[in-house]
Amino acid sequence: GNSVTQMEGPVTLSEEAFLTINCTYTATGYPSLFWYVQYPGEGLQLLLKATKADDKGSNKGFEATYRKETTSFHLEKGSVQVSDSAVYFCALSERNSGNTPLVFGKGTRLSVIA
Amino acid sequence: EPEVTQTPSHQVTQMGQEVILRCVPISNHLYFYWYRQILGQKVEFLVSFYNNEISEKSEIFDDQFSVERPDGSNFTLKIRSTKLEDSAMYFCASSETGGGRAFFGQGTRLTVV
Repeated sequence: GNSVTQMEGPVTLSEEAFLTINCTYTATGYPSLFWYVQYPGEGLQLLLKATKADDKGSNKGFEATYRKETTSFHLEKGSVQVSDSAVYFCALSERNSGNTPLVFGKGTRLSVIA
Repeated sequence: EPEVTQTPSHQVTQMGQEVILRCVPISNHLYFYWYRQILGQKVEFLVSFYNNEISEKSEIFDDQFSVERPDGSNFTLKIRSTKLEDSAMYFCASSETGGGRAFFGQGTRLTVV
């Protein structure tokens, strides 16, 4: 079955540090890949997505590239801010199917300190 | 940006009781979902709902669970005879097109004591 594996947290970084959160996936078909973010006290929000190999999703300075050869979708940001402190979830959804649920990783908690 | 709203934000219930978790999806969305996250574990899919019926459910979603869209705006998850292991954060989500971007509520934390 489909699955997503994320690096274990928590991750603690100083402001302006470089961030990488690793995500790899297992899927039987050709999934779409997502990063969701959950800020304290809020719901899950879509951060970025990519729907096919070599696509790069980007938003708010975050980027992730769909790598089919390594089945990865690592999240990166060049310079994190305190406001980026949140839990980040990698997820996939099978494409070409009308109503496919998301398969999530465990989530990685990021804390950015000033 | 449009929002999915869930109530209550926190529910405490005694083991064996029934609970109903409520969600108001985004008004023009057609696909609705429930997910849960047990503390420290993955966000897990429970059920999806389209055209007034369940379209897919996971093995977690057994006879203890049911969903309903009673009035065209609310989307509810009922858990009968709650167990300690039902304690989790429950997320509702909706999307305009299945497989597209899903909008999530802020979650209901259910604590069974």
